[in-house]
Amino acid sequence: AQKITQTQPGMFVQEKEAVTLDCTYDTSDPSYGLFWYKQPSSGEMIFLIYQGSYDQQNATEGRYSLNFQKARKSANLVISASQLGDSAMYFCAMREGGQNFVFGPGTRLSVLP
Amino acid sequence: DTAVSQTPKYLVTQMGNDKSIKCEQNLGHDTMYWYKQDSKKFLKIMFSYNNKELIINETVPNRFSPKSPDKAHLNLHINSLELGDSAVYFCASSQRGGAKNIQYFGAGTRLSVL
Repeated sequence: AQKITQTQPGMFVQEKEAVTLDCTYDTSDPSYGLFWYKQPSSGEMIFLIYQGSYDQQNATEGRYSLNFQKARKSANLVISASQLGDSAMYFCAMREGGQNFVFGPGTRLSVLP
Repeated sequence: DTAVSQTPKYLVTQMGNDKSIKCEQNLGHDTMYWYKQDSKKFLKIMFSYNNKELIINETVPNRFSPKSPDKAHLNLHINSLELGDSAVYFCASSQRGGAKNIQYFGAGTRLSVL
């Protein structure tokens, strides 16, 4: 069974609008971390935001916020005020305990002018 | 200064050759990783190396061998390259034991086997 599911292969958003990228995960470990990475067309993997399983508040980093719903096992990424430079692949990832990362299949976001 | 650097950025070679990809991190991290990203953009862990402990992913062919001369370097050597090895290979590092254990990635090496 897939540990990380990203159901949106591709998304479009108008510049300056907000967009939500979905991520659901599967784990029975009470201690885990959730991460989002951005991969622009240039290819590098850029860390965006982190949410720990015991964190009480949703993580925020500038225009990025993570909508963490623990009971539903979802960790959606919200990008506010989209910019053309946000066009990229976005990957959700999970680390259980001290184990390695598992990545989701990614969502390709296209920001329209 | 680049935190995680890998060379070369592009590697084109013939089937059957042996090649190496180098990775260095200047973050002081004690854990390093190699990932393979296939043509569908799916990222999969190949190896993780924490100080002298190597954790091998059992699905990785033994033609792939990581070598770590010290904790700042983790090189990937590939023997007898095959067409299916064509992919982008990413090196990453993290501080093991840290609460967040965020992995920081290199820019990737695009390997094309002809």
